[in-house]
Amino acid sequence: DIQMTQSPSSLSASVGDRVTITCRASQGISNYLAWYQQKPGKVPKLLIYAASTLQSGVPSRFSGSGSGTDFTLTISSLQPEDVATYYCQKYNSAPPITFGQGTRLEIK
Amino acid sequence: QLQLQESGPGLVKPSETLSLTCTVSGGSISSSSYYWGWIRQPPGKGLEWIGSIYYSGSTYYNPSLKSRVTISVDTSKNQFSLKLSSVTAADTAVYYCARPGDCSGGSCYFDIWGQGTMVTVSS
Repeated sequence: DIQMTQSPSSLSASVGDRVTITCRASQGISNYLAWYQQKPGKVPKLLIYAASTLQSGVPSRFSGSGSGTDFTLTISSLQPEDVATYYCQKYNSAPPITFGQGTRLEIK
Repeated sequence: QLQLQESGPGLVKPSETLSLTCTVSGGSISSSSYYWGWIRQPPGKGLEWIGSIYYSGSTYYNPSLKSRVTISVDTSKNQFSLKLSSVTAADTAVYYCARPGDCSGGSCYFDIWGQGTMVTVSS
């Protein structure tokens, strides 16, 4: 099975900072990669699919890139409301569907 | 707009079967060409895909849970259901149902999630 590894596991950044989270697949998955945001006590929310397509309604400060095995989620200017845990998820080919272990983002 | 709602017991005894239902409103479960999913999240931990079902009844399961999981669909009620047998404390989690956005093969990302239901396994 393909494993998804996120880094870092947690990070702390200041408001206005550019933040990058990485997700690496153990095998190539083309661009079949989604990113979710989960705020404390809330339901996961889809941010990006197909590695770089922004879900409707998601602020443009969020962006995604990558293909194959290496992917990134970038927040161009961190806002206080972006405090959350972020998960990547691969959805290429047949299951199993796999999530990364999550990256907890805090405000410094 | 389309909404999903999980329902079922919040407390299950060890060795028994966990049963949950996801009711879809604001749209038809049969209108999606993709696989509806169940995902769970143990307290303080990450997301784990449990399995997915097509409206015709075709299923995929997480290999780590496959021997204990059954997912079924009732299109007349616009519902799909999860059964997890022989539960232990390790199955304590928030259980989510979710609508597929787009898929490749039988794998999908999920664009609409239910609110989740907490299930505790304890005697």
